[in-house]
This record gives sequence, structure tokens and C-alpha cells, in this order.
Amino acid sequence: AQSVTQLGSHVSVSEGALVLLRCNYSSSVPPYLFWYVQYPNQGLQLLLKYTSAATLVKGINGFEAEFKKSETSFHLTKPSAHMSDAAEYFCAVKVSGTSYGKLTFGQGTILTVHP
Amino acid sequence: DSGVTQTPKHLITATGQRVTLRCSPRSGDLSVYWYQQSLDQGLQFLIQYYNGEERAKGNILERFSAQQFPDLHSELNLSSLELGDSALYFCASSPPVGDGSRDTQYFGPGTRLTVL
Repeated sequence: AQSVTQLGSHVSVSEGALVLLRCNYSSSVPPYLFWYVQYPNQGLQLLLKYTSAATLVKGINGFEAEFKKSETSFHLTKPSAHMSDAAEYFCAVKVSGTSYGKLTFGQGTILTVHP
Repeated sequence: DSGVTQTPKHLITATGQRVTLRCSPRSGDLSVYWYQQSLDQGLQFLIQYYNGEERAKGNILERFSAQQFPDLHSELNLSSLELGDSALYFCASSPPVGDGSRDTQYFGPGTRLTVL
């Protein structure tokens, strides 16, 4: 079984500051990992994904994440926050190598960006 | 725009009623997933269909059922509705086996169900 823990349900940063959203996973098999963003009253948009290729993954809007197997982590970072980054972010894990199977989501982290 | 469409956007109904949520996957995608997002449970996987067949089941109540039709659209039926069923229901789709992006799920905008 897989599980995801997102540390911090709320993160607040100033515009221009580093964004760091933490995600730790548990999986009995090699995982695939995802970060999704949800803007108010909208669906989930894929930011980036790790599917066993490069451990440092670059996504849209300047976000990136690094898969660290030894730490079972997949933290999301962005060097400089923008007001438009304010949203809820979800980390998710999936069993690798299958075309089917659920995503297991973390509880989400709400990112607030202050001017 | 993910290419996944869901109707209706909003649904308000009463306890005990039955509703149907509809989802059209991205063109070419064979898998459809249903998720429920609520304040207390977060995002929970309900069920998955692949090319018309049920493939995986999650925390789906017996009062809920789903199907995928030959044209690949899917419907989620919720019956004997309770207050606690109020939530955002998402549909997602993913490409078929052999596609390099088969592991990625693309989400629709969701249907917000309010049970009064």
C-alpha cells in the first residue's frame, strides 16, 4: 500500500522568496510521484511527475522536485514565489509501471504568497 | 484545459435522492478514474474503468456505482444521498498501455454536489 504525508497544511511566503513544500511517501514497490496544483474552484493541474527517470524533475511555472529514495521524499521547490502561485498543492503516489491504479494523495498544502 | 469534461458543474439536491455525474475523457484515453474531494476525507479514489471494464475499486460506497460506455464516457451514479455525500467529484483520464504518458492522470474541473 502507498501513502503520502505532506508536512504543513499551510505555508506562507513573501513574493520573491523560496517556496518549499514537503512531501514524504511510503510505498512497498517503486513509486511514481506527482505534484498537482488546485486553484480555487478549479480542477487539479499536473505540475510535474517522477517516473523513475531523472531524480530531479522540472515542471511547469518554474517548479521542480527531487526524488530522494533514501529519505522517501519528493519535496517541491520554486526559487522565487509569485503571487499567482497561491493555491493548494497536492503530492500523490502511484504504483509504478501500470496503466491502471489509483493515485493516493496527501492532505494538501495551501500556499499563501504575501506581497 | 485538461481535455477532460464533466457535467454538471454544480448539483444541488435533497437527501434520499439519486444523481448522475457525467465525464468525458481526453480524446484517445481509455482509462477513467473517479475521485471524491471533501474537507474531512481529502481526495479519495473511488473507482477506475479501462476501456469499459472495471479495473480498480477504492473507498466507494455501495450506494454509488459507475460505468464506462462504448464511447468511453463514464457516469457516476450516487443514490440514497446523505448530507455527508456533499463533496467535489473529480473525473480523471489517462492514456492507454503503450503510451509514454500512461501513468499520468488528467483531471476534469469537477462536479460540486451539495446535498441539503
